[in-house]
Amino acid sequence: DQQVKQNSPSLSVQEGRISILNCDYTNSMFDYFLWYKKYPAEGPTFLISISSIKDKNEDGRFTVFLNKSAKHLSLHIVPSQPGDSAVYFCAASANNQGGKLIFGQGTELSVKP
Amino acid sequence: GEEVAQTPKHLVRGEGQKAKLYCAPIKGHSYVFWYQQVLKNEFKFLISFQNENVFDETGMPKERFSAKCLPNSPCSLEIQATKLEDSAVYFCASSRRQANSPLHFGNGTRLTVT
Repeated sequence: DQQVKQNSPSLSVQEGRISILNCDYTNSMFDYFLWYKKYPAEGPTFLISISSIKDKNEDGRFTVFLNKSAKHLSLHIVPSQPGDSAVYFCAASANNQGGKLIFGQGTELSVKP
Repeated sequence: GEEVAQTPKHLVRGEGQKAKLYCAPIKGHSYVFWYQQVLKNEFKFLISFQNENVFDETGMPKERFSAKCLPNSPCSLEIQATKLEDSAVYFCASSRRQANSPLHFGNGTRLTVT
């Protein structure tokens, strides 16, 4: 069963505009959520995280929103830059799982100049 | 070091041969995780360690896969008698704390079984 889902395999955005990447989860025990960015032939790079006690966390151009009732989180990138083009993964963990992350399938973001 | 270091970068093995992958976690990180990426965008959890102790091995194919994290040595993931389906990129990650702490990933080892 896919506990973390990213339903959009790809997203194309114009430079300077907002990119919104979405993620849904099914396990109500998840209490920590993260976004990673991955370039080809590299490992995932941590971007931003949010604890379930918050509904928003912001770091520069990146903001993560968490809607616990809908079991949905999103990553906003504004303004988008061509260097943001990569595959973005959301991930989640539960406090009793020893830090193990469950990943979504990824969304490939393409930011066009 | 400040990065998770995985070696080798690429590994080619004939079916039935042994494969051994290495991972040096970030200094000061007590938790180590192994993931397998078979398809381009799916990460499968294999095993985690707290220092040299196995914490969670629920993702490990027990028959042929084993892993260790010994003091003063890189962690290792070993596959005995590799199969074609073991072809994947294997990522190692480490973290400072067990909960509510991001995992920091290495660049992976690409294993090709021919």
